[in-house]
Amino acid sequence: GAGVSQSPSNKVTEKGKDVELRCDPISGHTALYWYRQSLGQGLEFLIYFQGNSAPDKSGLPSDRFSAERTGGSVSTLTIQRTQQEDSAVYLCASSSDHSNQPQHFGDGTRLSIL
Amino acid sequence: RKEVEQDPGPFNVPEGATVAFNCTYSNSASQSFFWYRQDCRKEPKLLMSVYSSGNEDGRFTAQLNRASQYISLLIRDSKLSDSATYLCVVRGGSYIPTFGRGTSLIVHP
Repeated sequence: GAGVSQSPSNKVTEKGKDVELRCDPISGHTALYWYRQSLGQGLEFLIYFQGNSAPDKSGLPSDRFSAERTGGSVSTLTIQRTQQEDSAVYLCASSSDHSNQPQHFGDGTRLSIL
Repeated sequence: RKEVEQDPGPFNVPEGATVAFNCTYSNSASQSFFWYRQDCRKEPKLLMSVYSSGNEDGRFTAQLNRASQYISLLIRDSKLSDSATYLCVVRGGSYIPTFGRGTSLIVHP
């Protein structure tokens, strides 16, 4: 596709359930980022993938959060045993490399934990 | 000191006004700079990159001052549709860009 694609657009789930969020970056983009944004707040970095290198997981808030990127393309962010404070918009971005190119964002997944 | 700082605003201006935002950064090794706009409940969208010599895109002008470690965004002839939050992004030695919290702009009739 022409842009970064994220699914689902919206996800409502009960506290304690696991959720999987998907990101399909722009074709050819080697760098992929996950962020989350709570209502009225700034972007919070979660994790960064660059090519086949080990991901930078320094932003993951707890061990309930994990992400993988298969084949250097599609990425999945998994949140286990969801808590109400996990409610936020989860944004994925990709860029063509890791130096001076801008990121392009997907529409995000709006996650609501009941 | 935060890595990237922006005045949260809001800046409330009438249509046709000129408005400017600044963004300061703390890492002197920062290499690339961008402005994004974010509409309410939407994703950030790239507005423009910021080049060392300054650059212009229509009504928008971006400038970089490395000595004082800030970038600026000037919007001329403001439109109602310019109402949004403007995010400053800085990339330094780390591959992870740093986002400012954003400056809110409200353009009113």
